[in-house]
Amino acid sequence: AAGVIQSPRHLIKEKRETATLKCYPIPRHDTVYWYQQGPGQDPQFLISFYEKMQSDKGSIPDRFSAQQFSDYHSELNMSSLELGDSALYFCASSTRRGPLYEQYFGPGTRLTVT
Amino acid sequence: AQSVTQPDIHITVSEGASLELRCNYSYGATPYLFWYVQSPGQGLQLLLKYFSGDTLVQGIKGFEAEFKRSQSSFNLRKPSVHWSDAAEYFCAVGEESGGGADGLTFGKGTHLIIQP
Repeated sequence: AAGVIQSPRHLIKEKRETATLKCYPIPRHDTVYWYQQGPGQDPQFLISFYEKMQSDKGSIPDRFSAQQFSDYHSELNMSSLELGDSALYFCASSTRRGPLYEQYFGPGTRLTVT
Repeated sequence: AQSVTQPDIHITVSEGASLELRCNYSYGATPYLFWYVQSPGQGLQLLLKYFSGDTLVQGIKGFEAEFKRSQSSFNLRKPSVHWSDAAEYFCAVGEESGGGADGLTFGKGTHLIIQP
């Protein structure tokens, strides 16, 4: 079965640079979630989108923004990167036409800020 | 605000022994509860979920969990662990708003070590 696709899988950036992470949800899934997992930490919810509209907002820094496109893929844009932004970034997807709360996670993008 | 507590940071179990990982939640209404497993450097895999109905839920890989409202708990169990079960286990809670699901709140995780 198709899974959530995230790209790139690994990304190295320097402080103050920008980064764009991409997420391609499972086909026919309409909701996308972004999570940040620091080293040895639990995943923290950042933001979610349903049908291209922001659905819920968590602890997303003002330096970050995200959007969902008409094909349901989503991008997380991160500016003025800081060392503390180094983390594993997960995207998850779900559908309101199925088990509403069943979020399927992608493999993650490991961002390293130097 | 909802919260999840996993009291055990590390648990060591002998291969073939039984396992119970604890999870307590704080939430006003009926929560939607999940257990996820994460191998090192990997993504999160859903083991099982509780939405409503039967309080004992079965999941993949031989895991089960029991929802106990009176104790605000959703403990994960497995009768006989295998070395491949060594991983990080996260309990999570979700809620509904506006007809959709909000982001999940995770516990801090329990690191499971399997002794030969």
